[in-house]
Amino acid sequence: EIVLTQSPGTLSLSPGERATLSCRASQSLSSTYLAWYQQRPGQAPRLLIYGASTRATGIPDRFTGGGSGTDFTLTISTLEPEDFAVYYCQHYGTSQGFTFGQGSKLEIK
Amino acid sequence: QVQLVQSGAEVKKPGASVKVSCKASGYTFSDYYLHWVRQAPGQGLEWLGRIAPSSGTTNYAQKFQGRVTMTRETSIGTVYMELTGLTSDDTSVYYCARRRQPPFLAFDLWGQGTTVIVSS
Repeated sequence: EIVLTQSPGTLSLSPGERATLSCRASQSLSSTYLAWYQQRPGQAPRLLIYGASTRATGIPDRFTGGGSGTDFTLTISTLEPEDFAVYYCQHYGTSQGFTFGQGSKLEIK
Repeated sequence: QVQLVQSGAEVKKPGASVKVSCKASGYTFSDYYLHWVRQAPGQGLEWLGRIAPSSGTTNYAQKFQGRVTMTRETSIGTVYMELTGLTSDDTSVYYCARRRQPPFLAFDLWGQGTTVIVSS
């Protein structure tokens, strides 16, 4: 079973700064099945990135996904106030279905 | 408008069952698998399983096998998730979510969530 570990648990930054979030898999996985979500307080998750690097419809280009194998990243180039939220990576595996990382909280410094 | 609209909050006693609905609109209901994901208070996301609206076939996470049942009513574009044998650990927000078409398997549309509280 693939386990996704996200880091850092909490990242404190200021608007305008650059954020890099990590998602590490316990074994190599297909980039096709790696996605990232943003969840603001009291809201449902929102799809940001699928296929490890493709932005979903309507997602600003300050969000970039990358990586392969066991190491994946979500980068937010210039933080806007609305970007402070919790971010989850997610993977699909044929035997275990969909799994999520534990989340990374991006908070205002 | 493309959306998933879920039923309202529920409060249940331990041992009871809960059935949550999710109504799809604005797209062809049978074209997309619908999944259920839950989130306990202050915790992360957990996948429960999915249903194929066109055929009704289901696939459940191993953890919930025997306790969860997903069904659909195609005439009204609605799927249901029933969870039995509730315990306090089942207190969560339950979301339905639409899965993108292959090959990129991700959830591109989410319901607003249904809070289920299990308490004696």
